[in-house]
Amino acid sequence: GQNIDQPTEMTATEGAIVQINCTYQTSGFNGLFWYQQHAGEAPTFLSYNVLDGLEEKGRFSSFLSRSKGYSYLLLKELQMKDSASYLCAVIGAGNNRKLIWGLGTSLAVNP
Amino acid sequence: EAEVAQSPRYKITEKSQAVAFWCDPISGHATLYWYRQILGQGPELLVQFQDESVVDDSQLPKDRFSAERLKGVDSTLKIQPAELGDSAMYLCASSYSGNTIYFGEGSWLTVV
Repeated sequence: GQNIDQPTEMTATEGAIVQINCTYQTSGFNGLFWYQQHAGEAPTFLSYNVLDGLEEKGRFSSFLSRSKGYSYLLLKELQMKDSASYLCAVIGAGNNRKLIWGLGTSLAVNP
Repeated sequence: EAEVAQSPRYKITEKSQAVAFWCDPISGHATLYWYRQILGQGPELLVQFQDESVVDDSQLPKDRFSAERLKGVDSTLKIQPAELGDSAMYLCASSYSGNTIYFGEGSWLTVV
């Protein structure tokens, strides 16, 4: 079967660094997304990784290891507004590029 | 910045009634998705269009849900009759190449 695993909840302190892990088992791989979703709102795009390595975008970085079926999202200099759910999604095999979604990690940033 | 437009944002309907959601993707995006998201869960794909053709509707409850994208641009998702368990957020998303998928603001449905 196809599966994406993420921790359900995490807590961190304002100004700190947090790493949210995602492991996947899918039939085929055509890329991995990270999305941020605030309560009651739609997901917003954070990053897309298709090759191994680290992609940095300001305070957010995303890492991918295809051989290990593993990715992480790194958030630096945490702010209160970073409190949200972080969704990992993998594009599986096939021409329709079907997205397989994790259940999301709920991050609470405390002062 | 171009956005995916959805309407209505909020809809309350009685069970057994019909309800429809509309989506206008970002101009030029050939791929359009309808997702359903229940609180605390990831989005669940209902239907995926490539231009006007359905490429995946395996999770669409076809006895009550229908979706169309007649001219390959905007799309409508219909539920008839609505059931209590249909209460959720309905998300439309679009993509040009599949490398980035952009979501609309979502349509919240409450069935009472």
